[in-house]
Amino acid sequence: DSGVTQTPKHLITATGQRVTLRCSPRSGDLSVYWYQQSLDQGLQFLIHYYNGEERAKGNILERFSAQQFPDLHSELNLSSLELGDSALYFCASSGPGQGNEKLFFGSGTQLSVL
Amino acid sequence: AQTVTQSQPEMSVQEAETVTLSCTYDTSESNYYLFWYKQPPSRQMILVIRQEAYKQQNATENRFSVNFQKAAKSFSLKISDSQLGDTAMYFCAFMKPSKNAGNMLTFGGGTRLMVKP
Repeated sequence: DSGVTQTPKHLITATGQRVTLRCSPRSGDLSVYWYQQSLDQGLQFLIHYYNGEERAKGNILERFSAQQFPDLHSELNLSSLELGDSALYFCASSGPGQGNEKLFFGSGTQLSVL
Repeated sequence: AQTVTQSQPEMSVQEAETVTLSCTYDTSESNYYLFWYKQPPSRQMILVIRQEAYKQQNATENRFSVNFQKAAKSFSLKISDSQLGDTAMYFCAFMKPSKNAGNMLTFGGGTRLMVKP
């Protein structure tokens, strides 16, 4: 168990809909990263938050947004969903101090857009 | 931008034997980290081993060791005494540490390893 919690584990929805994926980082970790894993694109970095502030953006679509709340949990919002958004979405967290290059991954949310 | 290449989409090995997974990367940075992550059928991403670029000594973790060739930008993973539980996708990953922008991982395409009884 990595200590990173993601909910829900599975999500099935229809095109055009909006969903929210939730992530609780390990206790004490200030950084939250979101990654997308798909068959055609592989593992791609989406966005990074540190202590509530957005720090870096990767290949994140404009239809996607994220935030990190004061209690440090994070949510990834996906809107106007398309078939191609079907993927496994990972959240990872890391700490503020030495050794923070180690990212600990949650078990992911499998999103299926039908 | 950094790129990570894993040239072996699939590999297989007999139980108890040794297998080496290849990884090359491209970067102009001098300070960085390299990782191998394992993704078993459960899909959990598990950190296997980590290498700091400024350390010449190759990292080892029990049956897992790396061959880090900085000049050649090569970072291979050796699994000794392979076990059935080693069956998984293995991802090589690069990280350029950044205080402001965070520590993003750039992943290779993965190598699917099958350990045969």
